[in-house]
Amino acid sequence: DAGVIQSPRHEVTEMGQEVTLRCKPISGHNSLFWYRQTMMRGLELLIYFNNNVPIDDSGMPEDRFSAKMPNASFSTLKIQPSEPRDSAVYFCASSWGTASYEQYFGPGTRLTVT
Amino acid sequence: DQQVKQNSPSLSVQEGRISILNCDYTNSMFDYFLWYKKYPAEGPTFLISISSIKDKNEDGRFTVFLNKSAKHLSLHIVPSQPGDSAVYFCAASLEYGNKLVFGAGTILRVKS
Repeated sequence: DAGVIQSPRHEVTEMGQEVTLRCKPISGHNSLFWYRQTMMRGLELLIYFNNNVPIDDSGMPEDRFSAKMPNASFSTLKIQPSEPRDSAVYFCASSWGTASYEQYFGPGTRLTVT
Repeated sequence: DQQVKQNSPSLSVQEGRISILNCDYTNSMFDYFLWYKKYPAEGPTFLISISSIKDKNEDGRFTVFLNKSAKHLSLHIVPSQPGDSAVYFCAASLEYGNKLVFGAGTILRVKS
């Protein structure tokens, strides 16, 4: 069974460009999480969805960040416009149920904004 | 304001010895704690967890201890193996939810 799939694995873009990160959660999981990992702040939760509905987006840093989950098998995280300080590794994770603490992470997307 | 803190950025241990990774938290409402392990270029993977009603949970070479009065938990790895070299994240969850708050991570290096 495939795990969480993220694409692209690496993204290099110029400041001001739009960036879209994609995630396919594990089939049957109904919670999806977007995290950002930086050296300074470690793993930060940006937003999470339950049954395709955003539950908590308090971690989204600014209006430049947006996330969607149009169906149970796909989610996107968009940054528009991108800035150099957005450079980080972005992880998507999924889990089953509303009180499942064990989350399954994808391999991450390394974003570099120059 | 970091609610989950891992104050040691890195730890180096000799193969066969004990590795002890520490984690402190500030929110007394946290009721479930987890450790995740992360290798380079991979996502974190779940390692072990503990509920706030317990003070110890053991799984093979891995044991997690929880001291609620001190708001402190630790992960013990005995014996340590070179394959344990990774970044270890401590995480905590609030009651009735599945939102995890992670620490910044500790890099463990096990030398052979």
